[in-house]
Amino acid sequence: KQEVTQIPAALSVPEGENLVLNCSFTDSAIYNLQWFRQDPGKGLTSLLLIQSSQREQTSGRLNASLDKSSGRSTLYIAASQPGDSATYLCAVIPGGSQGNLIFGKGTKLSVKP
Amino acid sequence: GAGVSQSPSNKVTEKGKDVELRCDPISGHTALYWYRQSLGQGLEFLIYFQGNSAPDKSGLPSDRFSAERTGGSVSTLTIQRTQQEDSAVYLCASSSQRGGYEQYFGPGTRLTVT
Repeated sequence: KQEVTQIPAALSVPEGENLVLNCSFTDSAIYNLQWFRQDPGKGLTSLLLIQSSQREQTSGRLNASLDKSSGRSTLYIAASQPGDSATYLCAVIPGGSQGNLIFGKGTKLSVKP
Repeated sequence: GAGVSQSPSNKVTEKGKDVELRCDPISGHTALYWYRQSLGQGLEFLIYFQGNSAPDKSGLPSDRFSAERTGGSVSTLTIQRTQQEDSAVYLCASSSQRGGYEQYFGPGTRLTVT
């Protein structure tokens, strides 16, 4: 059974710092991996999608990497800003499926001015 | 273009009543998903529709939960005889093969059962 773990559960950093959020999954057979952002009381905003054949994706100050063989992904945020404060969720679609996402419990990020 | 929309945004109901939650996916998206996020819990998969195929209902927690998707577009999630433990945010998402099945989420419906 696929399980997704995110470490740390919470992170507080000063503005301007570069940071890394970690995601691990137990079964390397995945179709894709997706990173989301969730603001309090809101839905999920897709940040980056990495297909199983890809190693990384970049969007602005965000860079996500995928090491499928070791079951790990990282989300790198450069030059953090207070507006980056949110919960970041990692999720995978199991291999052989285009079906449901299996989510980690998220990392709650707080960027202090 | 328009994103995924859900209605109502909030629903308060009495225990034992039935509720219907609606999801309008992004136009042209063939896949539609329902998830639930309970207080303090992670996101939990409920049901998945792909085109005209039979839905994957493996995540539905009990037979009080059902969903349908009409015309390959709008979906309705129905909870019968609601219980307090059904209180949660119900999220809908849609995706397309062309987009590598990147899932786009709606704003959710917050259900409170009193």
